[in-house]
Amino acid sequence: DVKVTQSSRYLVKRTGEKVFLECVQDMDHENMFWYRQDPGLGLRLIYFSYDVKMKEKGDIPEGYSVSREKKERFSLILESASTNQTSMYLCASSPNLGEQFFGPGTRLTVL
Amino acid sequence: SQQGEEDPQALSIQEGENATMNCSYKTSINNLQWYRQNSGRGLVHLILIRSNEREKHSGRLRVTLDTSKKSSSLLITASRAADTASYFCATDDIGGGADGLTFGKGTHLIIQP
Repeated sequence: DVKVTQSSRYLVKRTGEKVFLECVQDMDHENMFWYRQDPGLGLRLIYFSYDVKMKEKGDIPEGYSVSREKKERFSLILESASTNQTSMYLCASSPNLGEQFFGPGTRLTVL
Repeated sequence: SQQGEEDPQALSIQEGENATMNCSYKTSINNLQWYRQNSGRGLVHLILIRSNEREKHSGRLRVTLDTSKKSSSLLITASRAADTASYFCATDDIGGGADGLTFGKGTHLIIQP
């Protein structure tokens, strides 16, 4: 089975802190994605990557950056966390831009 | 941008009844997928239907796709308490590039025991 893991289930940070969210997949998928999920807004794509060292902006990239140094790992970085970045963050991977496999999510609270 | 829109936003039925959720979208698609999310967890892929298919079954799930109306429905038959979850449709848009799927806002389904 495909497994996508995220470094933390719950995270509490202070405004202005630099935050790293890590995602690892074990199925050699080329494509990886970061979404945030907020009540009433569904899933919104932040960034995606279709290869090592490649990254593309999604719908809401402002305030975020990403890193993909290895195929299995895709990191989301909040350079200076703000309260409006309090959200559920979901990572996904996909072999073929069809079905996506999701991690369990990280619920981030920024105080 | 959000494309898929699920209807209804919330649905509560008795265990054993059938549950039907609908999804509408706006552009041409390669395929449409349905996902389930249990409270506070990640999404789980349920079923994928391609644009040249009209109906697909998987266990108690039945999905239909009408590309002329740009709509899809998900039917869960003989519902169980464990089916309580949020259900999302997601489209793989033609010409959408390598940016994957476009998700709707979801239908929250509650199965009353």
